[in-house]
Amino acid sequence: QVQLQESGPGWVEPSQTLSLTCTVSGGSITSGDYFWSWIRQSPGKGLEWIGFIYHSGSTYYNPSLKSRLTMSVDTSKNQFSLKLSSVTATDTAVYYCARGYDLLYWFDPWGPGTLVTVSS
Amino acid sequence: QSALTQPASVSGSPGQSITISCTGTSSDVGGYNYVSWYQHHPDKAPKLIISNVSNRPSGVSNRFSGSKSGNTASLTISGLQAEDEADYHCSSYRSDSTVVFGGGTKVTVL
Repeated sequence: QVQLQESGPGWVEPSQTLSLTCTVSGGSITSGDYFWSWIRQSPGKGLEWIGFIYHSGSTYYNPSLKSRLTMSVDTSKNQFSLKLSSVTATDTAVYYCARGYDLLYWFDPWGPGTLVTVSS
Repeated sequence: QSALTQPASVSGSPGQSITISCTGTSSDVGGYNYVSWYQHHPDKAPKLIISNVSNRPSGVSNRFSGSKSGNTASLTISGLQAEDEADYHCSSYRSDSTVVFGGGTKVTVL
């Protein structure tokens, strides 16, 4: 079955760029039925949708993050990535990648998540 | 982007039924049947338990059921068990082609 795994630095300095990659195994990222998403959870808060990307490269972003956000996909590596610039302490969160079902907007499966702390 | 509204916590005794609400607007919950629910145990990946308001994925217990009325979706857990103690999150598609989550509900089994 499809599995997802996040990777990237666990610590980022304020004003720098947070970069994460999600590796998809057990299935192709080019499957036409799905999109690929990032979701985060800040300490003590609910889940926050960050955005999603299709294998074609089309993206949809959370309006509150759009000015700082770039998502990309590398079909040759079966990976997709997230870059969030000008980070502050409020970007400290567990970041999850997840597969989304196109046109139905549910997410399954999810990666185990990776904690990213923004601190000097 | 305003989150959907969920109660912070809900509790029940083993064997009881509980219901968690998820309130949005006509631009999200009320306008589309794209409401999903996720069970989230600490330090684990969230798990899809209900898709498209009331569909239960293969392998999910039939003790979980979903419904919607107007701008409010609901998740009911019947025959509450100790293993159901977790956080539950709802999500919905929104008319601006985005997705919004609720604030999450902590379920405690007494």
